[in-house]
Amino acid sequence: EAQVTQNPRYLITVTGKKLTVTCSQNMNHEYMSWYRQDPGLGLRQIYYSMNVEVTDKGDVPEGYKVSRKEKRNFPLILESPSPNQTSLYFCASSLGPGALGYGYTFGSGTRLTVV
Amino acid sequence: AQSVAQPEDQVNVAEGNPLTVKCTYSVSGNPYLFWYVQYPNRGLQFLLKYITGDNLVKGSYGFEAEFNKSQTSFHLKKPSALVSDSALYFCAVRDGEYGNKLVFGAGTILRVKS
Repeated sequence: EAQVTQNPRYLITVTGKKLTVTCSQNMNHEYMSWYRQDPGLGLRQIYYSMNVEVTDKGDVPEGYKVSRKEKRNFPLILESPSPNQTSLYFCASSLGPGALGYGYTFGSGTRLTVV
Repeated sequence: AQSVAQPEDQVNVAEGNPLTVKCTYSVSGNPYLFWYVQYPNRGLQFLLKYITGDNLVKGSYGFEAEFNKSQTSFHLKKPSALVSDSALYFCAVRDGEYGNKLVFGAGTILRVKS
């Protein structure tokens, strides 16, 4: 089954403790993105990647890092999480430029709470 | 920058009645518009898209959307609502230098009551 898999689904952590949210897709997609969803704000792009070793900032990159060493994986790294990073996170992938008609496939989300 | 607005936080409709979820857009150039749906504890699911062509776009689960250039709107519609349509709906527009980004509206909660 074609899918984007995120782990974990739920995570509670403490301020400053480094964490990684994994994302993997099995569709051989070139484009991958991370979004965060906050009430009243919709989804905002954190980082995106157009291919292996090609990444760039989205609209809200502060406090996050990403890497794209393999085509299928696009982990999101929070080096020193803070409470304002408490949010629902989605990974998404796309065959081509995500919005040029191909559309994105989204993962099921990771609900992160930083205390 | 491109943007979309969803003016209603919540829409309530009775089962069997037609539903409309509103979206307006602000873009430079031709808009590439999308609707996604999010069910509780699930990721976003693609419903439909407008790239070019017919102003009435048909999508999944019986939904359709009407693109109106003069009113800069892209409203989501369904002739007969189901209780199972209750979810959070997002309108989105293409943005980014390479078209690699979707800019989302704040979302509209649809509640269908039996």
